[in-house]
Amino acid sequence: AQSVTQLDSQVPVFEEAPVELRCNYSSSVSVYLFWYVQYPNQGLQLLLKYLSGSTLVKGINGFEAEFNKSQTSFHLRKPSVHISDTAEYFCAVSDRENYGGSQGNLIFGKGTKLSVKP
Amino acid sequence: DSGVTQTPKHLITATGQRVTLRCSPRSGDLSVYWYQQSLDQGLQFLIQYYNGEERAKGNILERFSAQQFPDLHSELNLSSLELGDSALYFCASSLGLAGAHEQFFGPGTRLTVL
Repeated sequence: AQSVTQLDSQVPVFEEAPVELRCNYSSSVSVYLFWYVQYPNQGLQLLLKYLSGSTLVKGINGFEAEFNKSQTSFHLRKPSVHISDTAEYFCAVSDRENYGGSQGNLIFGKGTKLSVKP
Repeated sequence: DSGVTQTPKHLITATGQRVTLRCSPRSGDLSVYWYQQSLDQGLQFLIQYYNGEERAKGNILERFSAQQFPDLHSELNLSSLELGDSALYFCASSLGLAGAHEQFFGPGTRLTVL
């Protein structure tokens, strides 16, 4: 079984400052890794995903994440945030090989609320 | 706009009642996933259908059931509702079964049980 831990439930930051949202996962099988963003009163939107290849993944809106297999981490970063980045961010994993009956369903962390202040 | 539609947007009902939530996937997507988002449990996978067949189950209560119809839309049925069932219910669709396929989420149905 997999689990995802997002270490910070809330991250306040000033506009134009850098930000890192932390994500660690636990799994007995190989996984794909995702970051989703949820703006207030909206559904989830994919920011970026790691499937294979380069461990540094670039996504939309200037976000990037780095997969670290030894640390089992997939931290999300942005060098300079905007007010419009205020949202909740979810890290998620899914099985690579559909073990144990899973069929690509996502296991989510509890989310990190990013609050960007002017 | 993800291309996934969910109706209704809001639903208010009483304990013990039964409701049906509807989801239409993106054109061409065969997989439909249902997730529940609540304050205490976070986002949890409930159930998945692929081309009309149930393919995976997560933390779905026995009072809950779902189906996917020949036109690929899906319905989630919640019965004998309890206060704790109040949550945001999301539907997501993807092209296939593999975890690598991006899941596109609908706007959700907010269920309030009074």
